[in-house]
Amino acid sequence: AQTVTQSQPEMSVQEAETVTLSCTYDTSESDYYLFWYKQPPSRQMILVIRQEAYKQQNATENRFSVNFQKAAKSFSLKISDSQLGDAAMYFCAYTFNFGNEKLTFGTGTRLTIIP
Amino acid sequence: GAGVSQSPRYKVTKRGQDVALRCDPISGHVSLYWYRQALGQGPEFLTYFNYEAQQDKSGLPNDRFSAERPEGSISTLTIQRTEQRDSAMYRCASSFPGTTEAFFGQGTRLTVV
Repeated sequence: AQTVTQSQPEMSVQEAETVTLSCTYDTSESDYYLFWYKQPPSRQMILVIRQEAYKQQNATENRFSVNFQKAAKSFSLKISDSQLGDAAMYFCAYTFNFGNEKLTFGTGTRLTIIP
Repeated sequence: GAGVSQSPRYKVTKRGQDVALRCDPISGHVSLYWYRQALGQGPEFLTYFNYEAQQDKSGLPNDRFSAERPEGSISTLTIQRTEQRDSAMYRCASSFPGTTEAFFGQGTRLTVV
């Protein structure tokens, strides 16, 4: 069975600094998709960034980027120039079945931004 | 609609009662998913549909839980004879065929007292 592990229950960063959230996963599949979701205090689930396993290039969305290490089964999220609005729970998620979003989530990392 | 809509937003029920949670997906989204999120945890998959067909119900914890999507649009998740351990946020998500992005609703927070 696929598992997703987030080993950092909580992280904090000074405003305008850079922070990296860790995620590892376990799968026997070779083609799959990885995601980072943001859950602010409003408890919405907002897709931050996605990575396709067959693409070697790391995904980037504005201040958000990933470090995808397929061999190590590692998928970390880097947030640059942290802003107060980045404060949230961040969930790493995995799916192997394209088009059928049966997602497996990690337990989350709570990110605090220090003004 | 503009987004995935779930109702009610909050539900408090007494132990032993049945509850029905509703999800109205984004128009045109074929796939619909139900997840359950306990406090301090990530969402856990319950079941999903393509159109009206329930494709996978492996995440439903027991036979008190059921879901339907009779016309391939709105879906209902029903929990019979609720127990306190059923208290959680129940989230619905939908996606368009051929994409990898699932759009989540605001969720229904269920409290069983």
